[in-house]
Amino acid sequence: GEDVEQSLFLSVREGDSSVINCTYTDSSSTYLYWYKQEPGAGLQLLTYIFSNMDMKQDQRLTVLLNKKDKHLSLRIADTQTGDSAIYFCAERKDTGRRALTFGSGTRLQVQP
Amino acid sequence: NAGVTQTPKFQVLKTGQSMTLQCAQDMNHEYMSWYRQDPGMGLRLIHYSVGAGITDQGEVPNGYNVSRSTTEDFPLRLLSAAPSQTSVYFCASRPSTTYTEAFFGQGTRLTVV
Repeated sequence: GEDVEQSLFLSVREGDSSVINCTYTDSSSTYLYWYKQEPGAGLQLLTYIFSNMDMKQDQRLTVLLNKKDKHLSLRIADTQTGDSAIYFCAERKDTGRRALTFGSGTRLQVQP
Repeated sequence: NAGVTQTPKFQVLKTGQSMTLQCAQDMNHEYMSWYRQDPGMGLRLIHYSVGAGITDQGEVPNGYNVSRSTTEDFPLRLLSAAPSQTSVYFCASRPSTTYTEAFFGQGTRLTVV
């Protein structure tokens, strides 16, 4: 099955908080990332968290990591229409190629 | 500072044709990689390079070749295009001192008919 799983779609109203969830299966993952992709564009690194951390906050973004459940979430406070995009969760294993493994992406739609 | 530049942005090929997707970065990054993105899927690693003269296979290398003769350039070659290679291709780079692919190109949308 997929190494990294995400729900496909999330719709929120402008001003509300958005929570995008991700599960991963490899406990050896050392870094976990969130990327944003706007239509027709490449991926933009939003934030990342080391596996020895539980939480990281960066302005409107909060990342929560539950290592026991292998669950990662991205919370966007005061969601704006400009936040509409596809959000990818990715993990980096500490063995082998050390390449990124991406989830299939969550499309966030922000309703005005 | 242009970052990571990919050319072309769009390409249509006939089955069996060959072509090279170009990727260049001006940040002196040692690590470069190629990913493909298919509908409803995350990015999958095709090939990567940890420095000039060194390349290795990723998750889905079949049908693709790469070379790294300079630090700046990392071209991806399709020797005989197949419809299954219809995808959006992204090139990425990072310094070898980090584990974060923070720099992605804008992508090349390839259609093989």
